[in-house]
Amino acid sequence: KQEVTQIPAALSVPEGENLVLNCSFTDSAIYNLQWFRQDPGKGLTSLLLIQSSQREQTSGRLNASLDKSSGRSTLYIAASQPGDSATYLCAAATGGFKTIFGAGTRLFVKA
Amino acid sequence: SAVISQKPSRDICQRGTSLTIQCQVDSQVTMMFWYRQQPGQSLTLIATANQGSEATYESGFVIDKFPISRPNLTFSTLTVSNMSPEDSSIYLCSVAQDGYEQYFGPGTRLTVT
Repeated sequence: KQEVTQIPAALSVPEGENLVLNCSFTDSAIYNLQWFRQDPGKGLTSLLLIQSSQREQTSGRLNASLDKSSGRSTLYIAASQPGDSATYLCAAATGGFKTIFGAGTRLFVKA
Repeated sequence: SAVISQKPSRDICQRGTSLTIQCQVDSQVTMMFWYRQQPGQSLTLIATANQGSEATYESGFVIDKFPISRPNLTFSTLTVSNMSPEDSSIYLCSVAQDGYEQYFGPGTRLTVT
């Protein structure tokens, strides 16, 4: 049974800092891994999708990596801004397209 | 990407009643899903909405409690039946296309009193 864990559960950083959010999964037979952002009371916004054959994806200040052999993905946020404050969720899609979500990392960027 | 809308955006319902949530997509999509997000928790998949056939439910979710319809490739409904306060959650519709990148609707915030 796939389990997805995110560390840390919460993070508070000053504006401008580079930061790394971690995601681990127990079953390496994933189809893809996706990172989302969720603002309070809102739906999910897709940030980055990494297919199982890929090692990383980049979008602006965001970079996500995937290491299937170790069951890990990281989301790197460069030069953080107060507008980055949100909950970040990773989700692993497995066979039959069952997607398992982590519990999320709540990020607060202080101005 | 796909643009997804949900109705209603929020509702307050009395226990024992039922609520039907609608999900509309701006383009035809292969896969549609319904998730639940309980207060302070992450997302849990309820079921996959299959066009023209019965939905595929995850463990812990049953058709009598969460009947789902999907009459075409752009629309689906989820009904929360015989509600109790434990059903208070955000219910989210999502879709996936090639590459299985998922897109989510804005969610429906349900409070059961």
